[in-house]
Amino acid sequence: GQNIDQPTEMTATEGAIVQINCTYQTSGFNGLFWYQQHAGEAPTFLSYNVLDGLEEKGRFSSFLSRSKGYSYLLLKELQMKDSASYLCAVMDSNYQLIWGAGTKLIIKP
Amino acid sequence: ETGVTQTPRHLVMGMTNKKSLKCEQHLGHNAMYWYKQSAKKPLELMFVYNFKEQTENNSVPSRFSPECPNSSHLFLHLHTLQPEDSALYLCASTGTGETDTQYFGPGTRLTVL
Repeated sequence: GQNIDQPTEMTATEGAIVQINCTYQTSGFNGLFWYQQHAGEAPTFLSYNVLDGLEEKGRFSSFLSRSKGYSYLLLKELQMKDSASYLCAVMDSNYQLIWGAGTKLIIKP
Repeated sequence: ETGVTQTPRHLVMGMTNKKSLKCEQHLGHNAMYWYKQSAKKPLELMFVYNFKEQTENNSVPSRFSPECPNSSHLFLHLHTLQPEDSALYLCASTGTGETDTQYFGPGTRLTVL
């Protein structure tokens, strides 16, 4: 079966750095997405990785290793507004998105 | 308006009611999706429409009935729901590229009593 694993919840301190991991087992691979979802709001697109390596976008970076079936989202200089759920999703060989259950990130002052 | 909008944002209904959820996208996209999001579970894909044609029905019970009159509008008609259908229902849209990003609406929080 297809499976995406990510931690259920993480806690970090304002101003610090946090890394949210995602491991996957899917039939084929056509890219990995990270979305941010604040409570009661729409998921919003953060990043897309299809090749190995690190993609940086301001305070957020996303890393992919296809051989290990592994990705992480790195958030730097954490702000209170970064408190949200972070969803990892993999596009399989049929171009279907397979979703993880999300990681709830709690930022403390 | 911009992006993807959904109405109503909140809905409470009894098991014998009939109601409809509406989604509208203002992005010029051709594919639209319905997802169910339950607490601490992955997003569950329910239906996919491409150019108004249904291309995916993920074994969804018949008490959920989708309708796509054009590429900008998507409805989900609900009848005889069960309490376990209580969830956040999200609509998304995307362009024609197979790896295009999905853009989501804010969802309808549905409670079935």
